[in-house]
Amino acid sequence: DTGVSQNPRHKITKRGQNVTFRCDPISEHNRLYWYRQTLGQGPEFLTYFQNEAQLEKSRLLSDRFSAERPKGSFSTLEIQRTEQGDSAMYLCAITSGPYEQYFGPGTRLTVT
Amino acid sequence: AQSVTQPDIHITVSEGASLELRCNYSYGATPYLFWYVQSPGQGLQLLLKYFSGDTLVQGIKGFEAEFKRSQSSFNLRKPSVHWSDAAEYFCAVGPSNDYKLSFGAGTTVTVRA
Repeated sequence: DTGVSQNPRHKITKRGQNVTFRCDPISEHNRLYWYRQTLGQGPEFLTYFQNEAQLEKSRLLSDRFSAERPKGSFSTLEIQRTEQGDSAMYLCAITSGPYEQYFGPGTRLTVT
Repeated sequence: AQSVTQPDIHITVSEGASLELRCNYSYGATPYLFWYVQSPGQGLQLLLKYFSGDTLVQGIKGFEAEFKRSQSSFNLRKPSVHWSDAAEYFCAVGPSNDYKLSFGAGTTVTVRA
């Protein structure tokens, strides 16, 4: 148990629909990260938060993507007008200790 | 820019045999290096990390890795693999400021009886 839960674990949606994923760290952590992992690839950085502030967004994060961390605890990642290319595993991670990142189980998105 | 290369896409090893997974990185300063393991459909579990100091680091599940600055490598080893070690392994590098990780494409390990 890494202390990070993600919901839902699986999401199937039709192209053009909006989806929202949630990441819940068990305890408070300053930094929270989102990554995307497509089949056969390593995770790719999307964005990260320090407390409530979103400090960096990858170029992978088009304007259809938005992430929030309203109270510096849980975070949500929303994808609007989903496309088939959005099908991937979306991973949330928190920092614990000096530098390590601990990952949640991920949300697998399938866009049909 | 930082990057990671894992030259081996797939490795098959017999149970009880030794395992070595290669990782080469590109980074302008002293890197922070990590190995993660991912079982099918699961998130990533941290195996071990290198920040500084002793270049041979020990991790969980009997894994170790050696940092070689001259070769820009951080190879993962295990003396005797178990069937439960079958998984995908990712090497990652991160800077010291924002801890944003860059991952390699991964190496899939198959363990045969």
